[in-house]
Amino acid sequence: NAGVTQTPKFRVLKTGQSMTLLCAQDMNHEYMYWYRQDPGMGLRLIHYSVGEGTTAKGEVPDGYNVSRLKKQNFLLGLESAAPSQTSVYFCASMDAKETQYFGPGTRLLVL
Amino acid sequence: SQKIEQNSEALNIQEGKTATLTCNYTNYSPAYLQWYRQDPGRGPVFLLLIRENEKEKRKERLKVTFDTTLKQSLFHITASQPADSATYLCALARGNDMRFGAGTRLTVKP
Repeated sequence: NAGVTQTPKFRVLKTGQSMTLLCAQDMNHEYMYWYRQDPGMGLRLIHYSVGEGTTAKGEVPDGYNVSRLKKQNFLLGLESAAPSQTSVYFCASMDAKETQYFGPGTRLLVL
Repeated sequence: SQKIEQNSEALNIQEGKTATLTCNYTNYSPAYLQWYRQDPGRGPVFLLLIRENEKEKRKERLKVTFDTTLKQSLFHITASQPADSATYLCALARGNDMRFGAGTRLTVKP
């Protein structure tokens, strides 16, 4: 049981480049989330999904897109990266008792 | 706008003492509140959940209280140990809206 995994662990992008962050969970959870964590700030919700094929915007969705084609995977895309998107990105899934299980994070640096 | 404040950025205590961390919020009515632990370079790990109609929850050396009138949660770690050193995050939720505080970094000194 791997829990929640994230790929890649670290990435450097140039401004304007695109990339996709992959989150996978093997706990059969319906709910999945993408957060970003910046120094001095709490985790901020980017997008979330309440089930396969559904996604919704969170607190800070601008500049990001997501897809949930399979229940176990939740993808976060950056179409045109900006330095303001330099952050640590965490994916989480949630069980029926509202406990969130977080992945190890992806550190993204946009130059 | 909603605001979540955790009492201080850092808290230092002596081993064996009780650590008390505070989470205050404004302009929000959470259905439940959670506390997470985060170690450097890792994702948060769930510790406790308390619902809006509950006053107190305990789990081993951990205790959380929730006062919806004061809009405050207190998180206690009794008989603290150096291994309890970490950043602790509070999170508030209602429906699909999740809000996290910036965290308090706790250091327990031997």
